[in-house]
Amino acid sequence: GAGVSQSPRYKVAKRGQDVALRCDPISGHVSLFWYQQALGQGPEFLTYFQNEAQLDKSGLPSDRFFAERPEGSVSTLKIQRTQQEDSAVYLCASNFDRAGDGYTFGSGTRLTVV
Amino acid sequence: AQTVTQSQPEMSVQEAETVTLSCTYDTSESDYYLFWYKQPPSRQMILVIRQEAYKQQNATENRFSVNFQKAAKSFSLKISDSQLGDAAMYFCAMDSNYQLIWGAGTKLIIKP
Repeated sequence: GAGVSQSPRYKVAKRGQDVALRCDPISGHVSLFWYQQALGQGPEFLTYFQNEAQLDKSGLPSDRFFAERPEGSVSTLKIQRTQQEDSAVYLCASNFDRAGDGYTFGSGTRLTVV
Repeated sequence: AQTVTQSQPEMSVQEAETVTLSCTYDTSESDYYLFWYKQPPSRQMILVIRQEAYKQQNATENRFSVNFQKAAKSFSLKISDSQLGDAAMYFCAMDSNYQLIWGAGTKLIIKP
């Protein structure tokens, strides 16, 4: 596609519910990143894929967070047993895997846990 | 640890005037990239300008330019001829080993 597409745009989850957030990167982009942006703050790195390989998941806050990119294109970020502190905007970004090219971001998914 | 600091939570400027947003960073890397991103209410991060650390020449993109002081680890953004559409959150970020490290952002208000 022409840009990075994320769905859903908004998600309200009851505490304890599992959620799945989808990211469809630009076709041909090798690298894919997930960031978490709390209200009023800058994004924080969660995880990084190069094709289907998850090369870094050091930013995932707990084992309730899981990300996958099985075919090297679409990625899903799953959060199990959601808690209120998981409320944030989840941003996905992709690029051709050349550092410094900048990254193309999606519009994010705003997750609210009630 | 690598950090990016934006010390101005909010800045305002009169339409058509010039404004400078500040950013400082800390890293032990010798090769890295610096970016300014704009985030309007739509939430999508939009790349404004980028700078390669090994290049001494300051980057320029139309009305946007940077003042990159490598020794001082400073990377400020100057917006000339400010327009109403420039109103947004502006984030400074550093790319090191494919991770972006972000500042807390500066909210830019344009006064008509």
